[in-house]
Amino acid sequence: DVKVTQSSRYLVKRTGEKVFLECVQDMDHENMFWYRQDPGLGLRLIYFSYDVKMKEKGDIPEGYSVSREKKERFSLILESASTNQTSMYLCASSPALDEQYFGPGTRLTVT
Amino acid sequence: DQQVKQNSPSLSVQEGRISILNCDYTNSMFDYFLWYKKYPAEGPTFLISISSIKDKNEDGRFTVFLNKSAKHLSLHIVPSQPGDSAVYFCAASEGTPDSWGKLQFGAGTQVVVTP
Repeated sequence: DVKVTQSSRYLVKRTGEKVFLECVQDMDHENMFWYRQDPGLGLRLIYFSYDVKMKEKGDIPEGYSVSREKKERFSLILESASTNQTSMYLCASSPALDEQYFGPGTRLTVT
Repeated sequence: DQQVKQNSPSLSVQEGRISILNCDYTNSMFDYFLWYKKYPAEGPTFLISISSIKDKNEDGRFTVFLNKSAKHLSLHIVPSQPGDSAVYFCAASEGTPDSWGKLQFGAGTQVVVTP
């Protein structure tokens, strides 16, 4: 069974704080993704990575950065959290051009 | 602007009846489509997919239909069961190496199956 884990289920941060969201997958997948899910908007792609140290911007990269130093780990960084980044963050991985496997999500609240 | 649209935010259906979820898309380059199911406090899980070379794909109680000319797909669940109560997301991909498996998602449809 593919397992994608995310470091926190719930997180509360203050405006201006630096926030790290960690994601680990155990199936040696090449591709990893970060999405945010908001009501009425579905899942929107923030960043993705198709190899170690490689990253590509998704549809809404502003205010975010990512890091992929090891194949199994993909981190999302909010350099200076803002209230409009309050959301559910979902990490996913996939072996190729195939279905993606999602983690349980991190509910981030920025106050 | 969203390239994948699910215009029904919610659907209520009786147990044993058919659930029909609809999805429309605008990007004519999409050629691979997926449905995901999401329970509260869990990540989405893959349900079923269809390639543009087909117009139907079936997996047990779940069938996906694709109408490329209308840029429309639908998911049929027959018969609906209480465990099917979840949010269903439609997703699409251009399915090329350059797209790197990037998916565009719809806003989701909340399905409630009543006894």
